[in-house]
Amino acid sequence: GAVVSQHPSWVICKSGTSVKIECRSLDFQATTMFWYRQFPKQSLMLMATSNEGSKATYEQGVEKDKFLINHASLTLSTLTVTSAHPEDSSFYICSAPRPRGGRTDTQYFGPGTRLTVL
Amino acid sequence: SQKIEQNSEALNIQEGKTATLTCNYTNYSPAYLQWYRQDPGRGPVFLLLIRENEKEKRKERLKVTFDTTLKQSLFHITASQPADSATYLCALTGYNQGGKLIFGQGTELSVKP
Repeated sequence: GAVVSQHPSWVICKSGTSVKIECRSLDFQATTMFWYRQFPKQSLMLMATSNEGSKATYEQGVEKDKFLINHASLTLSTLTVTSAHPEDSSFYICSAPRPRGGRTDTQYFGPGTRLTVL
Repeated sequence: SQKIEQNSEALNIQEGKTATLTCNYTNYSPAYLQWYRQDPGRGPVFLLLIRENEKEKRKERLKVTFDTTLKQSLFHITASQPADSATYLCALTGYNQGGKLIFGQGTELSVKP
């Protein structure tokens, strides 16, 4: 079964509004989560690393004031797209490394959130 | 700059045949390489991980090879089935990267009955 969930699975909003997307690890604790964006027929592009208890680390070219990340607990990270515009329409996916035998190299991805900004 | 390239064209094969997907990378020294499957509108699903000191890894009908000299990984699906139709992504992680993945653009595989 799914070990990482996202909510909502899809959202349509008006330009200028803010949208919050939640990512939860269901049966394990994740001190780190990752947020990706994927445009149609393209690969996943890492946006930022969400760190529990500290600030997120953003990839080059990603506006931190535009994409607010909060790692509220060991099982929850949220991504808020502020003042959304049509060009922010995309598929947003989170992932979390799941500890196995002391290693955290395998990542589990959420089902994704389709954001459409009108 | 770091670059990961997968088969640029979609791959169409007949059911029962072996599908071979390619992942090449440049300007990178990965600690390990992973393959994921992604269905339309869904998040990627982990398939296999292979480390830099491993040459080959198998899991059921799946086989991955990793050649750090050629900077290439091959992903094989034997006895392919229509249910294997999906986009397959390779992803690399370097040392001390905190688990960050860099993805290739994916190869769309279509298995015809």
